[in-house]
Amino acid sequence: DQQVKQNSPSLSVQEGRISILNCDYTNSMFDYFLWYKKYPAEGPTFLISISSIKDKNEDGRFTVFLNKSAKHLSLHIVPSQPGDSAVYFCAASARIGGGNKLTFGTGTQLKVEL
Amino acid sequence: NAGVTQTPKFRILKIGQSMTLQCTQDMNHNYMYWYRQDPGMGLKLIYYSVGAGITDKGEVPNGYNVSRSTTEDFPLRLELAAPSQTSVYFCASSWEETQYFGPGTRLLVL
Repeated sequence: DQQVKQNSPSLSVQEGRISILNCDYTNSMFDYFLWYKKYPAEGPTFLISISSIKDKNEDGRFTVFLNKSAKHLSLHIVPSQPGDSAVYFCAASARIGGGNKLTFGTGTQLKVEL
Repeated sequence: NAGVTQTPKFRILKIGQSMTLQCTQDMNHNYMYWYRQDPGMGLKLIYYSVGAGITDKGEVPNGYNVSRSTTEDFPLRLELAAPSQTSVYFCASSWEETQYFGPGTRLLVL
């Protein structure tokens, strides 16, 4: 039972264009969502997040959109750069004993081509 | 400020051997986590800790043990290594909602 789904295993985009990565979730208890970026042989790096009370959060070239009714979020990268090539994980957060438990999607491999 | 550090980076174990994966954070975070990532999959939570002396099971705890004697350290113990434990292991610590990850330990059990 996969509660967080990233249905596109890979995405290829030209440099300078927009990259849109999608994520769907099923559990209504998730109240915070995060995107992580991962390079090979490194740990995931936090990119951007959004609370369930918002529908948009922006940080430089990165914008995350949340559609609660559709249980869908997306990450927009504009403009895309070759250094953005990495695996992007969507994660959804639920409270556990004062901390938070993250449930991860399976990731989308983004390739930004020159 | 090193963040979250993990040792070793890579290890090969024989079936039945034991080992401890080390994790240290210098951000004074109360919450720490252990995940494993199998090829083509997302990260799955093994164990977590909300502070020194307090640990609890995550999604896939079988075959592992943890302890948390200090705020900084959260070691993961494999007692009897099995091929199914071949994976990449990530430790994380969190401040509020955001978790910060170490570089990972790649473990191969043969």
